[in-house]
Amino acid sequence: DIVMTQTPLSSPVTLGQPASISCRSSQGLVHSDGNPYLSWLLQRPGQPPRLLIYKISDRFSGVPDRFSGSGAGTEFTLKISRVEAEDVGVYYCMQSTQFPYTFGQGTKLEIK
Amino acid sequence: EVQLLESGGGLVQPGESLRLSCAASGFTFSDYAMTWVRQAPGKGLEWVSTISDSGTGTYSAGSVKGRFTISRDNSKNTLYLQMSSLRAEDTAIYYCAELRRFWSWGQGTLVTVSS
Repeated sequence: DIVMTQTPLSSPVTLGQPASISCRSSQGLVHSDGNPYLSWLLQRPGQPPRLLIYKISDRFSGVPDRFSGSGAGTEFTLKISRVEAEDVGVYYCMQSTQFPYTFGQGTKLEIK
Repeated sequence: EVQLLESGGGLVQPGESLRLSCAASGFTFSDYAMTWVRQAPGKGLEWVSTISDSGTGTYSAGSVKGRFTISRDNSKNTLYLQMSSLRAEDTAIYYCAELRRFWSWGQGTLVTVSS
C-alpha cells in the first residue's frame, strides 16, 4: 500500500499570512494513463470533504486562486497564499493512483 | 448539479448486517466509477471500496474484504454497500463519492456498531 505522510499535523496561522502543508508518498504516483492522481481535500467541521487540488496542481472549479499545489515524484505541497477565516478545517492529501486509495493523516489548520 | 444522497445507516449490534445506498443525480451515473469512504468519529478518512462504471470491477480495503460488498444498479442510479459481520471498529460516517471527474461527496450516513 502507498503510505501518505503529511506534515505538520497542526498549523496555527495568522489571518492574511501564508500557510503550507507537505505530503510525502511512499512511492511515485504516476498512473499507467500518465496522470499523477494526487489530490488535496479540505474538510470543514461537520461537512464532507471537498476537493481543492487534483493531479498535483490543477485547481478544482470554484476554488480560490490563493490555493496552489506543487510537487513531483514523492513530495507534494499545498500552499495558501493568504489564509482567510473560511480556510479553517482539516486538509488531507490523497492518492487515487493505485488501490487501495490512501489518505494522509490530515492537517488541522486553525487561526492563531 | 451533481448530488449524492446516502441512506441506510443506523445502530446495529456486532455481527449484524446493514446495507447502505447512495442515490446519484445530475450526471450520467453509468459513466463513472463510484467509491465508498468512511470516517470513524474524530478520525481521518479511510477508503473502503470502489466499483467500476459497469460494475464488473470491484476493489476493497483489506479491513473490509470478505465482509463488505460494493455493487451498483445503473438503471436506478444507485450505489450500494452491503456490510456483514459488522464490528465496533466499523463505526463511522460512510460517504459515497465520485473521485475522478466531479469529485462530489454525499453528506454521509452514520453507522454505529455497538451492543
